Amino acid sequence: QKEVEQDPGPLSVPEGAIVSLNCTYSNSAFQYFMWYRQYSRKGPELLMYTYSSGNKEDGRFTAQVDKSSKYISLFIRDSQPSDSATYLCAMSFQKLVFGQGTRLTINP
Amino acid sequence: EAQVTQNPRYLITVTGKKLTVTCSQNMNHEYMSWYRQDPGLGLRQIYYSMNVEVTDKGDVPEGYKVSRKEKRNFPLILESPSPNQTSLYFCASSSGTGSYFGPGTRLLVL
Repeated sequence: QKEVEQDPGPLSVPEGAIVSLNCTYSNSAFQYFMWYRQYSRKGPELLMYTYSSGNKEDGRFTAQVDKSSKYISLFIRDSQPSDSATYLCAMSFQKLVFGQGTRLTINP
Repeated sequence: EAQVTQNPRYLITVTGKKLTVTCSQNMNHEYMSWYRQDPGLGLRQIYYSMNVEVTDKGDVPEGYKVSRKEKRNFPLILESPSPNQTSLYFCASSSGTGSYFGPGTRLLVL
């Protein structure tokens, strides 16, 4: 079993929809939780960073962490075609472990 | 501008021919690392360095070497590349609030 599980998709939604991306993990020692966005032929860029359980909002993006369920989510409101990318969850304790990434397409 | 740079961006080589991929960061970060990204396998850590002169293996270190003689640079060395090292490689520089990735080096080993 992988330490971090993420549905690779692909996920395709219409413009303006609310997108929900999720990861589960098995290592309860993970303390820091991140979401990265990766455009084609680019390196991952840090999108959201959270430390504790709960919600963190940044513009149209909301990161949610539920440590009791070992489950993290990223919500994108009012999705735009420019949000089309691969989204990777990542979490760390002593090292950073990535999910496989979910490929998201927002259709105009 | 804060950034991580890698060179070369694309490289085609043959089995056994030693190569080095350079990585440099201008954010004064202590922690740097190398990843490879393969379809279906995601990002996997090759090596990391917590500070100058201190490096350690990640999840997939076989066939790779690194060195960290100065804070800003963290080159990845393939002494004898093999076709199974064909991949997309990323260098990353990390602070306490996340990792910042370079643009990637796409390597093809024939």
